[in-house]
Amino acid sequence: GAVVSQHPSRVICKSGTSVKIECRSLDFQATTMFWYRQFPKQSLMLMATSNEGSKATYEQGVEKDKFLINHASLTLSTLTVTSAHPEDSSFYICSARARLAGGPYNEQFFGPGTRLTVL
Amino acid sequence: AQSVTQPDIHITVSEGASLELRCNYSYGATPYLFWYVQSPGQGLQLLLKYFSGDTLVQGIKGFEAEFKRSQSSFNLRKPSVHWSDAAEYFCAVGLRYNTDKLIFGTGTRLQVFP
Repeated sequence: GAVVSQHPSRVICKSGTSVKIECRSLDFQATTMFWYRQFPKQSLMLMATSNEGSKATYEQGVEKDKFLINHASLTLSTLTVTSAHPEDSSFYICSARARLAGGPYNEQFFGPGTRLTVL
Repeated sequence: AQSVTQPDIHITVSEGASLELRCNYSYGATPYLFWYVQSPGQGLQLLLKYFSGDTLVQGIKGFEAEFKRSQSSFNLRKPSVHWSDAAEYFCAVGLRYNTDKLIFGTGTRLQVFP
């Protein structure tokens, strides 16, 4: 159980175009989803946190107009990279967390990631 | 600021050998501590976690980790490595005041030779 999928797994686009990445929780309802960015040989950096039905909370330094996040349902969140440029090329990973079950921590389940290359 | 350091970028071991992956953190209090494994084409999988109590925690796939407060460390160990353990390993810290936020280390790539 607790499977998270991402689509597409890999995308190549031209500079100036927009790209949408989907994140789905396949067997549970995800009240909260997270978007991370991973640069080569670097750690995952949290970009934003989204709760179903509300606006995403972005980390400092992340442009919300550049990275549009929508969490319209309990099983789907999307990240749209608008007007993509080569510096946006990266590995984007989502994670999902179920409704809080109590206790000190509620596990995040991670998707396999999406490799974005902007030419 | 909080940070996580994994000093070893790349480790190579022979199958059957023991393994220790190092992780040090910087945080003003005792954080929640995690080890994740990332295999190509798959999402990060939680190996084990530490919140409180016994400082030696057991995880899946035969892994264990020991929290040492005096050294701000949470090293991952396995007594006998299998070829299928080859992957990228990430140590992460969860903040007690914001349990949503995970801070990851830069990862250690493990290569296993037969």
